[in-house]
Formats: sequence, structure tokens, C-alpha cells
Amino acid sequence: AQTVTQSQPEMSVQEAETVTLSCTYDTSESDYYLFWYKQPPSRQMILVIRQEAYKQQNATENRFSVNFQKAAKSFSLKISDSQLGDAAMYFCAYRGNYGGSQGNLIFGKGTKLSVKP
Amino acid sequence: NAGVTQTPKFQVLKTGQSMTLQCAQDMNHNSMYWYRQDPGMGLRLIYYSASEGTTDKGEVPNGYNVSRLNKREFSLRLESAAPSQTSVYFCASRATGGHGYFGPGTRLTVL
Repeated sequence: AQTVTQSQPEMSVQEAETVTLSCTYDTSESDYYLFWYKQPPSRQMILVIRQEAYKQQNATENRFSVNFQKAAKSFSLKISDSQLGDAAMYFCAYRGNYGGSQGNLIFGKGTKLSVKP
Repeated sequence: NAGVTQTPKFQVLKTGQSMTLQCAQDMNHNSMYWYRQDPGMGLRLIYYSASEGTTDKGEVPNGYNVSRLNKREFSLRLESAAPSQTSVYFCASRATGGHGYFGPGTRLTVL
């Protein structure tokens, strides 16, 4: 079974600085997707960024980028120029591309990010 | 386009009461999911539906039932609520090859 591990329950960053959130996963599948979701206090789950495993190039969305290391099964999220609005819970998630999982997301336990002004 | 909607947003039940959480999506997605979120646990899959007329168990299905009423709607029923079912419940939908779109969640407290 696939698992997702986020080893940092809480992180803190100074406004305008850069922070990296860690995520590792375990799978025997070769084709899959990885995601980072943001959950602010409003509780809404918001997609931040996605990465297809077959793509070697790391995904980037504005100030958010990932470091995807397929062999190491590592998928970290880098937030540049941190803003107060980035304060939230961040979840790493895995989705297989076929089969009995029917494409459901498997989540890590989350990292709570605080941004200091 | 409302996306994924859930009702109610909050609910308090007494042990043994029953209720149904409603979910609807207007994005014509085939797949729909119910998750629960507990502190320190991330989101865990309760049930999913790959298409209209099909449902299947996820990681934590005990104490729940679901109905995929049509392509748009996927409801979650608690027949006899227990305090262990106190949680935040999220419905999600997904297009083939896409990512999950989530509803706003329902905070359920069982006394």
C-alpha cells in the first residue's frame, strides 16, 4: 500500500523568506501523481501544485515550486518570498494512475506553516 | 460554476442519531469521494464512487454508508452516530486525469 510521510508537523518562516516543506512517499507504482494542497483556517482544501511522475521537470506555480526526486521518492515544496497569506496547513498527497485505488488521494498528516511578520 | 457543494456546514448529533451529509458537483466528474479529517491524521478515505451506480469502501468505511444518486450527487449516511465519528468531512470530485476538487467540509460533533 502507498504511504505518504510529512516529517515536519510545524514549520515557521519570516515574511519574505523562503521555506521548504518535506514529503516522502512509498509506492511500487511507476506512474502516479503528487500534489501539495493548502488548507487555510477557512478549512477549504486548495490545490497548490501538482507533479506527474513521468515528467522530469519540476513543477512551478509562481512562488511555489517542487523538488521531485523520483528515485528517492521525495517531493518537497519550496515557498519563495513567503507572505502572511501563506500561513496554513499544507498536505502532501499521492494518487496512483490506475487500478483499484480508483484514483483516490492518499494524504500525509500535514505540516502547519506559520509566517512571522 | 459552484464546484463541489456540501450541506450542512456544521452539525451536532447525539449518540445513536442518524444523519445524511449531502454532496453535489457541477463539473461533470465521474469520480467522487468522501474523506474524514481528524487532528494529526490528515485526510482518510471513507468511500468512493468511480462512476454513477458504483461505490466502494476506502480506508475507514465502518459506521458509514453511501449513495451515488446520480452523476452529480454522492451522499454519506451515518446510521447510528458515535463519538468516534466526530470529525470534519470532505467530499471531493475528480475528472479523469485531474486532481481532486474539494467541498468546503462539514464539521460534525457527536455527543
